[in-house]
Amino acid sequence: DVKVTQSSRYLVKRTGEKVFLECVQDMDHENMFWYRQDPGLGLRLIYFSYDVKMKEKGDIPEGYSVSREKKERFSLILESASTNQTSMYLCASSPSLYYEQYFGPGTRLTVT
Amino acid sequence: DQQVKQNSPSLSVQEGRISILNCDYTNSMFDYFLWYKKYPAEGPTFLISISSIKDKNEDGRFTVFLNKSAKHLSLHIVPSQPGDSAVYFCAASGGGSEKLVFGKGTKLTVNP
Repeated sequence: DVKVTQSSRYLVKRTGEKVFLECVQDMDHENMFWYRQDPGLGLRLIYFSYDVKMKEKGDIPEGYSVSREKKERFSLILESASTNQTSMYLCASSPSLYYEQYFGPGTRLTVT
Repeated sequence: DQQVKQNSPSLSVQEGRISILNCDYTNSMFDYFLWYKKYPAEGPTFLISISSIKDKNEDGRFTVFLNKSAKHLSLHIVPSQPGDSAVYFCAASGGGSEKLVFGKGTKLTVNP
């Protein structure tokens, strides 16, 4: 079974803090993704990576950056957290095109 | 511009009856479609997919129908069970992109 793990299930940070969310997958997948889920807005893609050190912006990249130094690990960075970044953050991975994405359990981030 | 639309935010059905969840898309380049189920505080889990060369795909109680001319797909759950109560997301990809585009979700409630 594919396993995607995220470093924290719940996180509370203060405005202006730098926040790191980590995601690890154990199936040697090429592609990894970061989404946020907000009520009434569905899942929105923040960034994705199709190879080590490669990244592409998704639909809402502003205020976020990412890092992929190893194939199995994809980090989402909030350089200076703001209250409008309070959300559920979901990481996913997939082996290639036309395969489903496998999701981690999510991190509920609250910025106060 | 919303490329994948789930126009019903919620749906309520009785246990044992059929649940029909609908999804419309606008991008004619989409050629792979998926349904995900999501429980609160968990990541989405893959349910079923269909490629554009088919018009139906079945997996146990779940069947997805694709009408390319109408740019419409639907998920049928028969018979519905209380454990099916969750938010269902429709997603699509195509045109050589690794990205999935998600709808906003439909919350299904199956009443005992």
